[in-house]
Amino acid sequence: KAGVTQTPRYLIKTRGQQVTLSCSPISGHRSVSWYQQTPGQGLQFLFEYFSETQRNKGNFPGRFSGRQFSNSRSEMNVSTLELGDSALYLCASLGGWGGDETQYFGPGTRLLVL
Amino acid sequence: EDQVTQSPEALRLQEGESSSLNCSYTVSGLRGLFWYRQDPGKGPEFLFTLYSAGEEKEKERLKATLTKKESFLHITAPKPEDSATYLCAVQAPSNTGKLIFGQGTTLQVKP
Repeated sequence: KAGVTQTPRYLIKTRGQQVTLSCSPISGHRSVSWYQQTPGQGLQFLFEYFSETQRNKGNFPGRFSGRQFSNSRSEMNVSTLELGDSALYLCASLGGWGGDETQYFGPGTRLLVL
Repeated sequence: EDQVTQSPEALRLQEGESSSLNCSYTVSGLRGLFWYRQDPGKGPEFLFTLYSAGEEKEKERLKATLTKKESFLHITAPKPEDSATYLCAVQAPSNTGKLIFGQGTTLQVKP
């Protein structure tokens, strides 16, 4: 079974631009969560989508948004990039079968904002 | 406020020297506690899920245990390839899909 895939793996953007990251969950998983990882703040939850609906949201500004498609693939968008948005962006998928709450992570997208 | 604290921040061991990593948590009801391993530049790799106090799980040289306030990751006779950052996370029943992570313990095992 293929794992979680994320594209692109690396991105370089300049301040003020916007960026879209993509995540394909494990086949059959319907929940996708997004996290931001930085050396100073560690792993922080952005939002979670389930069956195309945002089910939970972290404490990030409105510049961070996401969506989920009918095939469970998810995208996150960051508008008006700031230097502090440089981070590793991770997505995780959750099957939830039989009460299993385990989230499986993808390799991440490394975003550098110049 | 839900919170996770891991200790120590960094740990250096000689190959074969067993030790334990600690994860203390405060959460309004525990839906699950998770251990991950993360290598530099990669996504976290799942190790264990624990749901209730008293639960234990093992995998090769690793064993995870859970009490009502903390979890331990015991590493028996570690090898250099066990070097990585180990992350602990919790999920509260009221926060679907949201994991709260500790800052991690960076383990270095020297041959």
